[in-house]
Amino acid sequence: DAGVTQSPTHLIKTRGQQVTLRCSPKSGHDTVSWYQQALGQGPQFIFQYYEEEERQRGNFPDRFSGHQFPNYSSELNVNALLLGDSALYLCASSLGGGVVTQYFGPGTRLLVL
Amino acid sequence: TQLLEQSPQFLSIQEGENLTVYCNSSSVFSSLQWYRQEPGEGPVLLVTVVTGGEVKKLKRLTFQFGDARKDSSLHITAAQPGDTGLYLCAGDLNFNKFYFGSGTKLNVKP
Repeated sequence: DAGVTQSPTHLIKTRGQQVTLRCSPKSGHDTVSWYQQALGQGPQFIFQYYEEEERQRGNFPDRFSGHQFPNYSSELNVNALLLGDSALYLCASSLGGGVVTQYFGPGTRLLVL
Repeated sequence: TQLLEQSPQFLSIQEGENLTVYCNSSSVFSSLQWYRQEPGEGPVLLVTVVTGGEVKKLKRLTFQFGDARKDSSLHITAAQPGDTGLYLCAGDLNFNKFYFGSGTKLNVKP
C-alpha cells in the first residue's frame, strides 16, 4: 500500500515564474491538505480539498491555488513566485469526517532564486 | 503570531535523561496531535488526543492534553539517540484545519 507521494522532490525556479506541485494521497483517502514549511518553522496550512472542492483555506494569497481530481490526487499551483515562497511544500491525506489522522508525504523542496 | 507556542525550541540532552516539551495556546482545540519529523521527510503522526485531561502513552512517550483543551505536553523517559528529531504539535481549531507549532528540535547524544 503506497503512502502519500509527491512530485517533484526538488525544484528550482526564478522570481515571477509559476510552479505546479503534485500529490497522490494514500489509498482510500479522499481529503488532501497542503502545507508550507519554511526552514526552521512548523508547517503552515495553505488549503484543503475534499470532493474536488476547496473546503478550508489558510492565510495565503490568491497566488496559491489548487485542484483535486476525481481520483483524489491534487495539485498546488503558485503564480508570480517570490523569494519568500522558498520552502518545503507538504501534502497530507486523510479520510474525511470526525477526528482525522493525517499522513504526510515527503514534500517538495522549492527554491526560488 | 503563532497560534500554538512550543517550548523549548531546542533541547540537547544525554542518552538516558528525561525531558518534557510543551505546547500552549489561548485557543480551545477539538483535538491535538503530536508529530515527529526527520530531515528531508514529512511529519509522522505519533498520537491524537481529543478529551480534556486525556493521557496517552506510547512506549517511553507520554502525551497529555490539558483539561481546558488549550495546551498539551510530551514527556519522554530515558531518551535514546533514536528519539532525535523535530517534534511538532498541531491543533484542530476548525473542522480539520490544523495549526502547527514551530517545533522543538531534540538532539539526544549517546
